[in-house]
Amino acid sequence: EDQVTQSPEALRLQEGESSSLNCSYTVSGLRGLFWYRQDPGKGPEFLFTLYSAGEEKEKERLKATLTKKESFLHITAPKPEDSATYLCAVQVADRGSTLGRLYFGRGTQLTVWP
Amino acid sequence: DADVTQTPRNRITKTGKRIMLECSQTKGHDRMYWYRQDPGLGLRLIYYSFDVKDINKGEISDGYSVSRQAQAKFSLSLESAIPNQTALYFCATSDLWGGDTQYFGPGTRLTVL
Repeated sequence: EDQVTQSPEALRLQEGESSSLNCSYTVSGLRGLFWYRQDPGKGPEFLFTLYSAGEEKEKERLKATLTKKESFLHITAPKPEDSATYLCAVQVADRGSTLGRLYFGRGTQLTVWP
Repeated sequence: DADVTQTPRNRITKTGKRIMLECSQTKGHDRMYWYRQDPGLGLRLIYYSFDVKDINKGEISDGYSVSRQAQAKFSLSLESAIPNQTALYFCATSDLWGGDTQYFGPGTRLTVL
């Protein structure tokens, strides 16, 4: 059965303290791995897509990397406005369909305090 | 204006009532999805649609139905709401030829008493 596991469940960082969030997956037929940011009471906001091992993407203080079994979201010198829940999702080819089904992890709740 | 809108944003209803949640998009995407989010469980797919004539069940479709009225509109109905359908509901859209990245609406918080 496909599984996506995110760790830690919650992370508290002081402003400027860099760290990484982990997303490990066990799927067959991976089409892509997605990172989203979700603020309380809002919909997930797309951040990155990674398609192959070794790929990296960057956006401001965030950098996402991908291996064959996991992805990391590195946060460099975070600020309080980076506080949110970060969701990882793997996209798997659906048999007999062009659907790229998304399987979500439960998220990592990041709090950055001044 | 937001690309994906959902109405209502909040709804409180009683057990047994029929409820419709609506989703509209201006992104021009052909694919639309309905998810629910529960604390500690992550997002789960309820239904998805590739175009107006193509509607498919997701992993948790029991108790729900959908209607794709137009390329830009996708509605989710709870025929007879029950308390364990209390959750956050999100609509999403994607374009296969644009990489199939799913973009989410702001969500509807539904409470069934």
